[in-house]
Amino acid sequence: KAGVTQTPRYLIKTRGQQVTLSCSPISGHRSVSWYQQTPGQGLQFLFEYFSETQRNKGNFPGRFSGRQFSNSRSEMNVSTLELGDSALYLCASSLRTAQETQYFGPGTRLLVL
Amino acid sequence: QKEVEQNSGPLSVPEGAIASLNCTYSDRGSQSFFWYRQYSGKSPELIMFIYSNGDKEDGRFTAQLNKASQYVSLLIRDSQPSDSATYLCAVKSDSWGKLQFGAGTQVVVTP
Repeated sequence: KAGVTQTPRYLIKTRGQQVTLSCSPISGHRSVSWYQQTPGQGLQFLFEYFSETQRNKGNFPGRFSGRQFSNSRSEMNVSTLELGDSALYLCASSLRTAQETQYFGPGTRLLVL
Repeated sequence: QKEVEQNSGPLSVPEGAIASLNCTYSDRGSQSFFWYRQYSGKSPELIMFIYSNGDKEDGRFTAQLNKASQYVSLLIRDSQPSDSATYLCAVKSDSWGKLQFGAGTQVVVTP
């Protein structure tokens, strides 16, 4: 069974631009969570989608948004990029949310210049 | 106070020895506990999960959970150089998907 896929793998943007990242979960998985990983803050939860609905949201500004499609694929968008948004963005999928283990994709490394 | 705490390390372990990693959490309502391994430049890879008090063994790995002490640990027996990585403790406190991660413990296995 194919794992979680994320595109693109690497991205370079400049301040003020916006970016859209994509995540395709493991086949059959309906829950998709997004995390930001930086050396200073570690892994931080952004949000989680289940059946096209946002179920949970972390403490990030409104510039960070996401959505999920009927096929469980998810996208996250960051508008008005700041230098501090440079990070590894990880997507994780699970069958359902309660007590289910999450499997991570390879991540998208975003560099904001 | 951070919600999930781990010693950052590095934890230096001789090859063949046991590596012991600790994690404490603040939310008494936490339900599920996970250990992930992350190699440099890679994404986290699930090693084990544990839901109930006690020990859970999987190959060379043993997870231990003590909810009364709000403590979860990971033992790596017969440590190998390939075990050199950062080990992340993650805690789920609700029925939805939010995982709270510790900062990770770097393990270095020396030949």
